Amino acid sequence: GENVEQHPSTLSVQEGDSAVIKCTYSDSASNYFPWYKQELGKRPQLIIDIRSNVGEKKDQRIAVTLNKTAKHFSLHITETQPEDSAVYFCAAMGGGYSTLTFGKGTMLLVSP
Amino acid sequence: DGGITQSPKYLFRKEGQNVTLSCEQNLNHDAMYWYRQDPGQGLRLIYYSQIVNDFQKGDIAEGYSVSREKKESFPLTVTSAQKNPTAFYLCASKDEPTNEKLFFGSGTQLSVL
Repeated sequence: GENVEQHPSTLSVQEGDSAVIKCTYSDSASNYFPWYKQELGKRPQLIIDIRSNVGEKKDQRIAVTLNKTAKHFSLHITETQPEDSAVYFCAAMGGGYSTLTFGKGTMLLVSP
Repeated sequence: DGGITQSPKYLFRKEGQNVTLSCEQNLNHDAMYWYRQDPGQGLRLIYYSQIVNDFQKGDIAEGYSVSREKKESFPLTVTSAQKNPTAFYLCASKDEPTNEKLFFGSGTQLSVL
């Protein structure tokens, strides 16, 4: 089955800095890669996703890049703000009737 | 208010007891999922159902059971065979199995007394 590795497990940045979280996946058939943000005690919320036919996608301060050859994808957050502090999960899913496999999460702390 | 409702928010289990976590959705979604979340472990799939009256085991199904008698409901029972049940349990759904976007409920924190 699919295996998703996520790094780093914790990331501390100063407000205004950029943050990058990286994930690798094992199944070359995977074609959908979402990122979820989870605040303490809350439900995970989808913040951005990318499909395998696209190399990069942006949404305001958030961007995701995908390298299919290397089987890795990354989340980039620019101009970080304290409210960006949360746990971020990457995930991968194959085609057809597949399920999402999640990474172990990255706790992002943005200090004022 | 449309969405996925999980109840209760907090649940305590005594040794040897079975407990059932509720998950209801009014989104008319076909597929429903149960994930277990432990600190530092990410989300691990317990069971999923792509259609009424059918469900499949996920990666960590041992000690759990589910039913899918109605489209909108997918309850999870944590049996006494699950020796380490303390975790945050998340229910999720999507409108059809081949669709990609997964929506989560607000979760149930289960603890052992």
